[in-house]
Order: sequence, then C-alpha cells, then structure tokens
Amino acid sequence: DAGVIQSPRHEVTEMGQEVTLRCKPISGHDYLFWYRQTMMRGLELLIYFNNNVPIDDSGMPEDRFSAKMPNASFSNLKIQPSEPRDSAVYFCASSRDRGTGEQFFGPGTRLTVL
Amino acid sequence: AQSVTQLGSHVSVSEGALVLLRCNYSSSVPPYLFWYVQYPNQGLQLLLKYTTGATLVKGINGFEAEFKKSETSFHLTKPSAHMSDAAEYFCAVSDRRTGNQFYFGTGTSLTVIP
Repeated sequence: DAGVIQSPRHEVTEMGQEVTLRCKPISGHDYLFWYRQTMMRGLELLIYFNNNVPIDDSGMPEDRFSAKMPNASFSNLKIQPSEPRDSAVYFCASSRDRGTGEQFFGPGTRLTVL
Repeated sequence: AQSVTQLGSHVSVSEGALVLLRCNYSSSVPPYLFWYVQYPNQGLQLLLKYTTGATLVKGINGFEAEFKKSETSFHLTKPSAHMSDAAEYFCAVSDRRTGNQFYFGTGTSLTVIP
C-alpha cells in the first residue's frame, strides 16, 4: 500500500484566497483524521470521520474551515478565506479503528498564507 | 478530560548514551498508550503502543516503553542513542472513557550529540 497520500505537499497562497488540501487514506481504514501542527499549539485534532461521516469537528477553529469525505478514498479540508494565522502543517491520518489501532499519517501539507 | 504531559520539550544526549523521554497521563482508567516519532519534514509514525498485557513494550529501532499504572507513566527508553534517533517524539493516549478519544502530548525534541 502506498500509505496515506496528501496533496499538495506545499501550498503558498495570499490572504483571502481559498485553499483546498486533499487526502487519500489507506484502503480499508474506516477512520480519517485531520490535524494541524504549529510551533505554538503543537499537534491539534481538527476533525475526524468514521465511514465517511464526520463524527467530531469540535477542533475546527472557525467557520472558515470545512472538511468533507465524499467517499472512502478521499477527503478534503478547505479554508475560505485563508488568513496568515492559518499557516501550519496539516496532516491527514487514517486508522482501522478508533482508539486501539495505529494512526497512519500522511507526509503533511505545509501551508503558508501571505 | 484526559491530558498527556511530556516533561522536557528538548532533550540532548550523547551518541551511545541512554535515551529517556518522559510521558505521564492523567486518568483513573488506564488508557491505551502510544509513542510516535516524527523525523524532519515527515509525518508521524508509530514507535510502539500499549493496549493490554505485558507492561514492557518493545518497538522499532530499539526503543521500548514501560507502562506503570501506579505512576501513570509511559516513559520511552533506548539503551544507546544513534545519530539517526534525532527527531520529535510524541506520546499519545486513547481515553477508553470517552470513546477512545486520542490525545497527543506536546512533543519532545531529541538531539543526539556526536
């Protein structure tokens, strides 16, 4: 298996623009997680899905952020409009189960909002 | 709520010396416990995990951790540090009381001095 795939690996955009981050989880994994990592706040869980359904989005910082999982093979995280404080590395992870199993992380998307 | 404390955001050891990274959790019910490693510009990968059974858990790259219920700890050790061990290490817990909600610690950056 190719592992969790994220695209793009790097994104540079200007404030106010829409940003879309993409994730392909490992086949057969029922759970998908979106995390954000910054120096100041560390690793934060934004949202997670189970069988394509959003279960907990309490970590989504504000309405500018949205995430969807239209099918078992794809999820996206959108930021509209983007702000400089959104600059971070965004990770997608997937797992077979909720708590006892390993979460497999993608390589991350480094977002810079100017 | 569950919390994970990693003592020491930065740890430096000499090559060949013992590595000890500390992790404590707060829960009256022992959670599932994990250690992840993050190399520069990469996603997190699992080093080892404890769910049930033997309290001394061996992981990849010579690392091991011991679950100590009385101390609510899950410290990570390696007898002899290699230069390639330089990375960020995250302790994580899965709280059985809250549907296995996953919590990451703030991370410990390990530097290995030649």
